[in-house]
Amino acid sequence: GAVVSQHPSRVICKSGTSVKIECRSLDFQATTMFWYRQFPKKSLMLMATSNEGSKATYEQGVEKDKFLINHASLTLSTLTVTSAHPEDSSFYICSAPAHRETYEQYFGPGTRLTVT
Amino acid sequence: GEDVEQSLFLSVREGDSSVINCTYTDSSSTYLYWYKQEPGAGLQLLTYIFSNMDMKQDQRLTVLLNKKDKHLSLRIADTQTGDSAIYFCAEIREGSYIPTFGRGTSLIVHP
Repeated sequence: GAVVSQHPSRVICKSGTSVKIECRSLDFQATTMFWYRQFPKKSLMLMATSNEGSKATYEQGVEKDKFLINHASLTLSTLTVTSAHPEDSSFYICSAPAHRETYEQYFGPGTRLTVT
Repeated sequence: GEDVEQSLFLSVREGDSSVINCTYTDSSSTYLYWYKQEPGAGLQLLTYIFSNMDMKQDQRLTVLLNKKDKHLSLRIADTQTGDSAIYFCAEIREGSYIPTFGRGTSLIVHP
């Protein structure tokens, strides 16, 4: 099946620094990718829809200037957490929809961000 | 209440059947999914069912859909320790391609 990769798998950074997370579709093109944040014992929270060649669509309550999304090519979307704070520590997962009428999602393995 | 609801935990003995339940609110759901998440990993699609079906079987997995009650279940036969994971129910509504996820059910399989 199609594969979506994320890099890095885990990152520790100091408060105030910025962190970039990459999401790649390895064997298919993805004009749309989704970025989720997962909290312990809670579901996936959709943060934004990343659109190749245009601006991302952010969900209500997600700060655009805090979580910068760039979808520069058909296989790469990046999420940059700017001026990270400890409350940004979380598990971030990206996904890309399959090119099928079932709209199933191919998920990346996730990135564990810890801000100290 | 939430759009997609699941119980948070389920504990079963190895070899028994597991049944994970999910309820949803939107009657326009077109596809419903079960995803599996192992510790520290992303989600993996297990199976899906189209809203005009009431049952789908795939090896050890059986999905039942009661559209009238907006209830979806996933039955895992002969549950193994490798089945221990979080199972997410999700739906796609008519006119959308963005899924709505439940909170996930942690399945714990003990010897």
